[in-house]
Amino acid sequence: AQSVTQLGSHVSVSEGALVLLRCNYSSSVPPYLFWYVQYPNQGLQLLLKYTTGATLVKGINGFEAEFKKSETSFHLTKPSAHMSDAAEYFCAVSVPSGSARQLTFGSGTQLTVLP
Amino acid sequence: EAGVAQSPRYKIIEKRQSVAFWCNPISGHATLYWYQQILGQGPKLLIQFQNNGVVDDSQLPKDRFSAERLKGVDSTLKIQPAKLEDSAVYLCASSPGSSYNSPLHFGNGTRLTVT
Repeated sequence: AQSVTQLGSHVSVSEGALVLLRCNYSSSVPPYLFWYVQYPNQGLQLLLKYTTGATLVKGINGFEAEFKKSETSFHLTKPSAHMSDAAEYFCAVSVPSGSARQLTFGSGTQLTVLP
Repeated sequence: EAGVAQSPRYKIIEKRQSVAFWCNPISGHATLYWYQQILGQGPKLLIQFQNNGVVDDSQLPKDRFSAERLKGVDSTLKIQPAKLEDSAVYLCASSPGSSYNSPLHFGNGTRLTVT
């Protein structure tokens, strides 16, 4: 079975500082990996995804993530935080399971951006 | 395109009462998902439909939860009777196909409080 671990349930950064949200996964088959963002009282929105090919993936709002198979990681980064980035971020792993899709989410990281 | 619509946005009920949630996915999306998101946790899949058929309901507490997707479009999730631990946000999501690299489009959710 696959699983996702997000290190740090809360992360605070200053506006303009680097954002680094950590995600490690476990999977017995090559996974597809996703980062979703959730703003208060809203559903989840896809930031970026890794399926195959280039291991550095760029997403919306200046975010990017790098798939590192040897480290089983898919950390999310952004060079310069903006106040509007304050939200909860979820890492997710997807593997095939028969005719269904198994999509497992991590427990989330709440990002606070300080002025 | 219109997003995933869910109603109601909020619901407060007493334990042992029943409640129903409604979801209208994005037009043309064959796959529909219901997730439960307990405060402080990532979303957990309850049930997945492909058109009007159930693909995965392995994590649905079938003694109290039921879901249907009539005509392969709208879906209803019901809880009867509700327990205190059912307090959560119920998220509906849809995707164009069943291939496991398709991103999910989420609605804003229904926040259920059971007292």
